Amino acid sequence: SQKIEQNSEALNIQEGKTATLTCNYTNYSPAYLQWYRQDPGRGPVFLLLIRENEKEKRKERLKVTFDTTLKQSLFHITASQPADSATYLCALVGGSYIPTFGRGTSLIVHP
Amino acid sequence: GAGVSQSPRYKVTKRGQDVALRCDPISGHVSLYWYRQALGQGPEFLTYFNYEAQQDKSGLPNDRFSAERPEGSISTLTIQRTEQRDSAMYRCASSLGQPNEKLFFGSGTQLSVL
Repeated sequence: SQKIEQNSEALNIQEGKTATLTCNYTNYSPAYLQWYRQDPGRGPVFLLLIRENEKEKRKERLKVTFDTTLKQSLFHITASQPADSATYLCALVGGSYIPTFGRGTSLIVHP
Repeated sequence: GAGVSQSPRYKVTKRGQDVALRCDPISGHVSLYWYRQALGQGPEFLTYFNYEAQQDKSGLPNDRFSAERPEGSISTLTIQRTEQRDSAMYRCASSLGQPNEKLFFGSGTQLSVL
């Protein structure tokens, strides 16, 4: 069955460092992949999209990579700030155009 | 409105009662999705619409769950004969409907079945 894996343990890092979050998937052939940010008590907010034929996408301090051979996406936040603390969700989208979400990874940036 | 609006924000009901959850998407958004999210988990797909047509309802857990979007705008998710296991955050999202389009989520309806 299709499976999306995001680290269930929170990632704790120091302010100013680069945070790297991982999204692995199996039994899936996504056309593209999205990353969302979710703050407590709120709905997810879209951050970035990367297509299957793209290796890397950047937006300000954010960078996403997509390796369809490894079936993995990495999400990087450079020069992290305490305000970046949130849960980050990856979502895979296949031919049905229905985003399927992972469970998310909590990021905590310490000042 | 400026964003996706869901009501009520909180709903407490007794087991066996029916509930109706409402979603008002962003104006002009063609696609509307319903998800359910348990604490500490990602959103779980329930169903989605393009305009008024329900395109996929494969995520609805059983026949107590139904959804409609009669005029291609506001949508209602109805749960009949609620059970305690139905307690969760129900989230609605909308998009322009084109491939690759990002979803805009509402704040959700927290359903508690006693």
